[in-house]
Amino acid sequence: NAGVTQTPKFRVLKTGQSMTLLCAQDMNHEYMYWYRQDPGMGLRLIHYSVGEGTTAKGEVPDGYNVSRLKKQNFLLGLESAAPSQTSVYFCASIKFRTGLNTEAFFGQGTRLTVV
Amino acid sequence: AQKITQTQPGMFVQEKEAVTLDCTYDTSDPSYGLFWYKQPSSGEMIFLIYQGSYDQQNATEGRYSLNFQKARKSANLVISASQLGDSAMYFCAMRINQAGTALIFGKGTTLSVSS
Repeated sequence: NAGVTQTPKFRVLKTGQSMTLLCAQDMNHEYMYWYRQDPGMGLRLIHYSVGEGTTAKGEVPDGYNVSRLKKQNFLLGLESAAPSQTSVYFCASIKFRTGLNTEAFFGQGTRLTVV
Repeated sequence: AQKITQTQPGMFVQEKEAVTLDCTYDTSDPSYGLFWYKQPSSGEMIFLIYQGSYDQQNATEGRYSLNFQKARKSANLVISASQLGDSAMYFCAMRINQAGTALIFGKGTTLSVSS
């Protein structure tokens, strides 16, 4: 998935620290999503964006904030990390087309551990 | 409420056999899209196939086909001629169009292919 890049790939935080995850796409997609993946839970939607300057809450938004100042970048912030936020985070970027031709790509994931 | 259900936690199949992974969904939105993703043990999410709610034909992509039964609200993934490399976690996802568009996932099915 060369079109979607997440940074960093791994991070260990102490409880109470803050950090920002960056998702960058070069495909001019409007829709971008942040998910967390936990064992047995599948992927749960944290926040998403349907275009530059817009964001919306997903299923599990508490403890996270997002921004989409530029179309190609979608940032996920943790203001005060908690051990419950230990997870693998995925960013996704989608261009919906008519018919069966739809582009959907994920970043490679960020493994975050909060101690 | 919008929901994706994958009832098979694990599936086992032998090489060269076909396998069907089940997915049912619930939405009141007449316009929606259904996706299948593959997640191998390396962790990346790989887009496999997409079906729009108004598409007349079932989607196909190589060995993958989507058995879309709108009245039953099911979107099963069929993999023909399984290969060892198909062993992975498979996720069904749904795009919903009301209130800005979100992409929600099921909990996944682990497929194991043996020789």
